[in-house]
Amino acid sequence: DIQMTQSPSSLSASVGDRVTITCQASQDISNYLNWYQQKPGKAPKLLIYDASNLETGVPSRFSGSGSGTDFTFTISSLQPEDIATYYCQQYDNLPTFGGGTKVEIK
Amino acid sequence: EVQLVESGGGLVKPGGSLRLSCAASGFTFSSYSMNWVRQAPGKGLEWVSSISSSSSYIYYADSVKGRFTISRDNAKNSLYLQMNSLRAEDTAVYYCARIAVAGTYYFDYWGQGTLVTVSS
Repeated sequence: DIQMTQSPSSLSASVGDRVTITCQASQDISNYLNWYQQKPGKAPKLLIYDASNLETGVPSRFSGSGSGTDFTFTISSLQPEDIATYYCQQYDNLPTFGGGTKVEIK
Repeated sequence: EVQLVESGGGLVKPGGSLRLSCAASGFTFSSYSMNWVRQAPGKGLEWVSSISSSSSYIYYADSVKGRFTISRDNAKNSLYLQMNSLRAEDTAVYYCARIAVAGTYYFDYWGQGTLVTVSS
């Protein structure tokens, strides 16, 4: 199985801050990497697919980059509604998720 | 509007069985691969199983292989997960999720989830 190591596991930032989350795969997964947002008690929501493609309707402050084993997810200007847990997910093989990053407001 | 509505969760004893259902609407169900993804209380997401649009391709996570069976009925726009030999570690919210594009694994629509609790 491909392991996905996501960091940090949690972070606290101020409104307007730039927030960055990283995800590292245990082997080369090309660009087969997606990012999801999950708010408490809700289902996950797809934000970014294939490492850098913004899902329709998702605000442009969200972005993703990377290929191979190292990936980055960025919120350019943190908003109060962005409080959630974010997950990366690979699908080079059968899908696996990272452990999640809980984003809070400072 | 795309909707996925899970049902069938509940409390079951270790070793017991349960069948989850996911009713789909708002899209051509027979054209999409579907999945089950679960989340243990307070934990992260775990992919469970996938089934292609015509049921030709079926895959399972190692953690459920041999115990769970995924199936679908395209005439009824429904996805199922038969869970046998349930263990405490199967306790989770189970989501059905649609694959956006065949040949990929990005999940563009999710249901609200149904809670399965395995406990004596």
